[in-house]
Amino acid sequence: DQQVKQNSPSLSVQEGRISILNCDYTNSMFDYFLWYKKYPAEGPTFLISISSIKDKNEDGRFTVFLNKSAKHLSLHIVPSQPGDSAVYFCAALVQGGSEKLVFGKGTKLTVNP
Amino acid sequence: DAGVIQSPRHEVTEMGQEVTLRCKPISGHDYLFWYRQTMMRGLELLIYFNNNVPIDDSGMPEDRFSAKMPNASFSTLKIQPSEPRDSAVYFCASSLAADKTEAFFGQGTRLTVV
Repeated sequence: DQQVKQNSPSLSVQEGRISILNCDYTNSMFDYFLWYKKYPAEGPTFLISISSIKDKNEDGRFTVFLNKSAKHLSLHIVPSQPGDSAVYFCAALVQGGSEKLVFGKGTKLTVNP
Repeated sequence: DAGVIQSPRHEVTEMGQEVTLRCKPISGHDYLFWYRQTMMRGLELLIYFNNNVPIDDSGMPEDRFSAKMPNASFSTLKIQPSEPRDSAVYFCASSLAADKTEAFFGQGTRLTVV
């Protein structure tokens, strides 16, 4: 039973365009969401997060949007760069709860020059 | 700090053998997590520790899996006996109690059981 779902295993975009990675969750108790980026042969690295009290968080080229009613979040990368090519994991947890980060299966982003 | 250090980076073993994966968390971090990554299931949390004490091992797939954290700077994940379906990348991560939402991951151990 996947509580965090990333339904697109892969995404390909052109350099300079916008990349939109989507994530859905089923557990309404989740109140903190994170995106991790993973290059081959490396561990995931934290990218950006958002608390459920917000609907948007922006950090440079990266923006995360949260739609609580739809239990949906998305990561926007604009403009996309070839160095952004990686696997992106969406994760969620219940703050003050079990402290367990629940991850999606990841979306492989390829940014073509 | 060098970050979370895992060893070995790669491990190939025969079915039935014991495998021990090692992790050195970032100094001062209170939480340590063991994850397994597979194509089918993505990143799964196996077990995590708080101040060296196992808090939740509900993700450990079978009794063949065990994890220990004898001190704040070292943890092991052991599989005995190993099976081909255990082949995966195993990640260790650590985080601060004050900011446990951001876990720092090691580079992982790629385990292949033949």
